[in-house]
Amino acid sequence: DVKVTQSSRYLVKRTGEKVFLECVQDMDHENMFWYRQDPGLGLRLIYFSYDVKMKEKGDIPEGYSVSREKKERFSLILESASTNQTSMYLCASSSPGTGKNTEAFFGQGTRLTVV
Amino acid sequence: DQQVKQNSPSLSVQEGRISILNCDYTNSMFDYFLWYKKYPAEGPTFLISISSIKDKNEDGRFTVFLNKSAKHLSLHIVPSQPGDSAVYFCAASERRDDKIIFGKGTRLHILP
Repeated sequence: DVKVTQSSRYLVKRTGEKVFLECVQDMDHENMFWYRQDPGLGLRLIYFSYDVKMKEKGDIPEGYSVSREKKERFSLILESASTNQTSMYLCASSSPGTGKNTEAFFGQGTRLTVV
Repeated sequence: DQQVKQNSPSLSVQEGRISILNCDYTNSMFDYFLWYKKYPAEGPTFLISISSIKDKNEDGRFTVFLNKSAKHLSLHIVPSQPGDSAVYFCAASERRDDKIIFGKGTRLHILP
């Protein structure tokens, strides 16, 4: 069974803290994604990685960075957490190319609250 | 600027009837379209997809229709069941990269 695992379901952090959100996939997928989900705004892409050490900014990269040192692991880093980064964070992975069997698989999400 | 638009935030449908969820897109380079379903406190799960070379794809109770000239797609669920109550996201990607862009979602309520 395919699996994308996010390290925490719920996190509470203080303003100004450096926060790491970890994601691991076991499907040997090249592509990995970080999204955030907010009411009325849907899923917005923060960062995308198409290979180890490769990354591209998504629609809302400000205040975030990412790390992909190994194929199976993609980390999202909040350099200095702020209250407007309180959100549900979703990691996903997919195979490259468009077409059959290239849909993205999601983790269960991390609900981050910054106080 | 939103590239994938779901203009109906919510939709209520009687159990057993057809649910139709709509999606519009602006990027003519999109060539692959997907629908995801999401329950609260869970990650989205893939439902059905369609390539731009097709105009229809069917999987059990779910059918997706694509009208490229109108840049419009729709998801039909028939018959609708109580377990279909969820948020449905329309998504799209283009050949040049594998980024998947999502719409804002439509919350579907199936009424008993």
